[in-house]
Amino acid sequence: ETGVTQTPRHLVMGMTNKKSLKCEQHLGHNAMYWYKQSAKKPLELMFVYSLEERVENNSVPSRFSPECPNSSHLFLHLHTLQPEDSALYLCASSRGLAGGGLVNEQFFGPGTRLTVL
Amino acid sequence: TQLLEQSPQFLSIQEGENLTVYCNSSSVFSSLQWYRQEPGEGPVLLVTVVTGGEVKKLKRLTFQFGDARKDSSLHITAAQPGDTGLYLCATTGTASKLTFGTGTRLQVTL
Repeated sequence: ETGVTQTPRHLVMGMTNKKSLKCEQHLGHNAMYWYKQSAKKPLELMFVYSLEERVENNSVPSRFSPECPNSSHLFLHLHTLQPEDSALYLCASSRGLAGGGLVNEQFFGPGTRLTVL
Repeated sequence: TQLLEQSPQFLSIQEGENLTVYCNSSSVFSSLQWYRQEPGEGPVLLVTVVTGGEVKKLKRLTFQFGDARKDSSLHITAAQPGDTGLYLCATTGTASKLTFGTGTRLQVTL
């Protein structure tokens, strides 16, 4: 496998289910991200991890719980979601965080298409 | 939070035509990136521009960064069906955050 992989590619769940999205990067990067992409809205950053520590949490509801056990893996645990949470969830990674003149170039996975019934 | 407006929202053209899409902000960009997202896939980085007035070319794609670093354009020459996708601009705000634009959805038909 190369690049950034995500599983599952498609997920349908009820509002009372618990499920997890998985992301793995094979690029040796130190930073990983979760984004939400809904129809008619720009890509929204949800969480940022650098060296397995969360560095940003963009006011995301607690029904979304991220986990980063190591720099190659990122999970998004889902619990009691709402229908409006249906979206494409994208994972990305980058060599590091931007700053000090370093541009943040991110590599994205194919996404998990989530439908909440 | 820096807002990035992209125009047009949708564009449907025939193969061989030229087109330009735009990315605008009321704030100055530190740097700007263009991504293309094909159906069923994640965005893929096309180019990063950093210097005001900078022009970069990638085969039939020409990217321009405004002199004041508040706008950018992407020009495609002789569009092909393979150019179909969602074009996103993005800029780095805080050290960890990319802010994405609203996107331009391009459809190129035979």
